[in-house]
Amino acid sequence: DAKTTQPNSMESNEEEPVHLPCNHSTISGTDYIHWYRQLPSQGPEYVIHGLTSNVNNRMASLAIAEDRKSSTLILHRATLRDAAVYYCILRSRGSTLGRLYFGRGTQLTVWP
Amino acid sequence: EADIYQTPRYLVIGTGKKITLECSQTMGHDKMYWYQQDPGMELHLIHYSYGVNSTEKGDLSSESTVSRIRTEHFPLTLESARPSHTSQYLCASSELNTGELFFGEGSRLTVL
Repeated sequence: DAKTTQPNSMESNEEEPVHLPCNHSTISGTDYIHWYRQLPSQGPEYVIHGLTSNVNNRMASLAIAEDRKSSTLILHRATLRDAAVYYCILRSRGSTLGRLYFGRGTQLTVWP
Repeated sequence: EADIYQTPRYLVIGTGKKITLECSQTMGHDKMYWYQQDPGMELHLIHYSYGVNSTEKGDLSSESTVSRIRTEHFPLTLESARPSHTSQYLCASSELNTGELFFGEGSRLTVL
C-alpha cells in the first residue's frame, strides 16, 4: 500500500473547525483513503473512509482532491474529546483491513 | 461502541514469567489481529487470524504466540517475558468487505 504524509502536530481551539491534511501522491486508482484516530491510552477508532467522492458521517467529513493526491479530514466543531492522534491510511482494494499501515499520524491538540 | 475487549488493561510482571493477554469480540468477526505499539510510535502487526484454527505471523517478528480455538477469542501468550517485551498490545477485528477495523482498548505490559 502507498504511504501518506501528515503533519506531526496541529492545534485548534474548542468549537472551531479543524482541517487535517494528508498527502498521498502515489495513490493508485483502487486505493481507499481511511482515517482513524487514537485517543490517549486507547486503541485506534475508525473515523471515516472514502474512495473518490467526499464523504460525511456523524464524526467528520472527508474531502478528497480531484486528482486524489491529497485529502482533508474536517472536524466541524472541535471539542476537547477530539484531542487525539489522527492517522491517514491508504488501503488497496485487494488488501485486508488488518494490514493497514498506522504511521505516526498527526497529534491534534484542542485548547479550551 | 466496539464490542471487543482486552484484559488486563495494565500488567506489571517480573522477567521470566509467563503471561497471556486476552482478547474477545462479540461481533462474530472472522478476522482478528494483534498489534504492538510503543509510545508515540507506529502500530506493528505481529499476528493475525482469518478464522478458527488459522493463525499467521505479522510484519514484525515477535516471540509471542497466539491461538484461535473459538471465533470470539484470540489470546496472545509470552512464555517467558523479558524487559524488551514492554509495550502496548492492541487487539482488533474486522468483518469482510467493510471499511472498519475495530480495536480494543489495549493491554499495556511492563516487564521488570
